[in-house]
Amino acid sequence: GQNIDQPTEMTATEGAIVQINCTYQTSGFNGLFWYQQHAGEAPTFLSYNVLDGLEEKGRFSSFLSRSKGYSYLLLKELQMKDSASYLCAVRDSNYQLIWGAGTKLIIKP
Amino acid sequence: IAGITQAPTSQILAAGRRMTLRCTQDMRHNAMYWYRQDLGLGLRLIHYSNTAGTTGKGEVPDGYSVSRANTDDFPLTLASAVPSQTSVYFCASSDSVAGVNEQFFGPGTRLTVL
Repeated sequence: GQNIDQPTEMTATEGAIVQINCTYQTSGFNGLFWYQQHAGEAPTFLSYNVLDGLEEKGRFSSFLSRSKGYSYLLLKELQMKDSASYLCAVRDSNYQLIWGAGTKLIIKP
Repeated sequence: IAGITQAPTSQILAAGRRMTLRCTQDMRHNAMYWYRQDLGLGLRLIHYSNTAGTTGKGEVPDGYSVSRANTDDFPLTLASAVPSQTSVYFCASSDSVAGVNEQFFGPGTRLTVL
């Protein structure tokens, strides 16, 4: 079967750095996405990785290791507005997204 | 309008009733998707359409049907609602199914079936 694993919840302090991990087992791989979802709102796109390595976009970076079936999202200089759920999704061999259950990130002052 | 709109925003429905959730996008995206999101579970794909005139079944299609008569609209119909279909439903679209083409999401429809 296909599976995406993420921690259910994480807590971090404003101004700090947090790393959210995602491991996956899917039928095929055609890219990995990270989305942010604030409570009661729709998911919004953060990043895309298809090759191994780090993609940096402002305060957010995403890393991929295809051989390990592993990715992480790194958030720097945390702000209160970063409190949200972070969703990892893998595009499988049918070009459909398989989604993790999401990691709820709580930022404390 | 800009992006994706969904209607209604929320709905309470009696079991056994028929219901259509509407989704419209103005980005001229080829692909559209319907997901349901339940607490503790990831988004699950119900149906998808890679291009106007075609549709396909996702992970959880039973009890739902879709049509894609044109590029912009992708309605989702529950023929006879059951309580297990209580969920938040998101419509999404993307320019293509491949490459870096991310999916854009509508605001969601919160459906309660009693």
